[in-house]
Amino acid sequence: EAGVAQSPRYKIIEKRQSVAFWCNPISGHATLYWYQQILGQGPKLLIQFQNNGVVDDSQLPKDRFSAERLKGVDSTLKIQPAKLEDSAVYLCASTQNYGATGQELFFGEGSRLTVL
Amino acid sequence: AQSVTQLGSHVSVSEGALVLLRCNYSSSVPPYLFWYVQYPNQGLQLLLKYTTGATLVKGINGFEAEFKKSETSFHLTKPSAHMSDAAEYFCAVSDTQGAQKLVFGQGTRLTINP
Repeated sequence: EAGVAQSPRYKIIEKRQSVAFWCNPISGHATLYWYQQILGQGPKLLIQFQNNGVVDDSQLPKDRFSAERLKGVDSTLKIQPAKLEDSAVYLCASTQNYGATGQELFFGEGSRLTVL
Repeated sequence: AQSVTQLGSHVSVSEGALVLLRCNYSSSVPPYLFWYVQYPNQGLQLLLKYTTGATLVKGINGFEAEFKKSETSFHLTKPSAHMSDAAEYFCAVSDTQGAQKLVFGQGTRLTINP
């Protein structure tokens, strides 16, 4: 079974530029998450989707970050314009069933963003 | 709100020695607790989890953790460290109600000395 796929793995941009990250969750997984992991810190939830609907985006900086999950499968996370403090690894994760707590989250390898 | 505190951002042990990584949590409801491991340039992988039932949980690679409600702790242990255990370890807590959502600690980097 294929795991969570993310691309690109690495991206370097100048501040004020834009960037987009793509995630393909495990087939059949209804819930998709985007986490931000700043160097030396634990992952922080940015947004959670159930199929193509947003469950929680309370920690997403909406003035510059946006995310969508069209058709309830792939997802894209966009940053525009980027700031220096956005330098981090962006992790995508998925789980099978919405509302069933205690499930394992399956993580992709992450997309490492460096903002210069 | 839930939170996790991992005591010690960096732990160093000798090969063959006991590994102990500390995790304390705060939750207003009974929690579900997780330990994840992250190897360099990789995503997070589940080591073990506590949901209900037995408070001593066994995971992959010889790791285990014990849920102690009175101490609000979920420390991770392994009797004998191996070089391959060198990685970053994250403790996480999840609500037992509502949407599945993990809150992570800041992580502990484990170094194994030969």
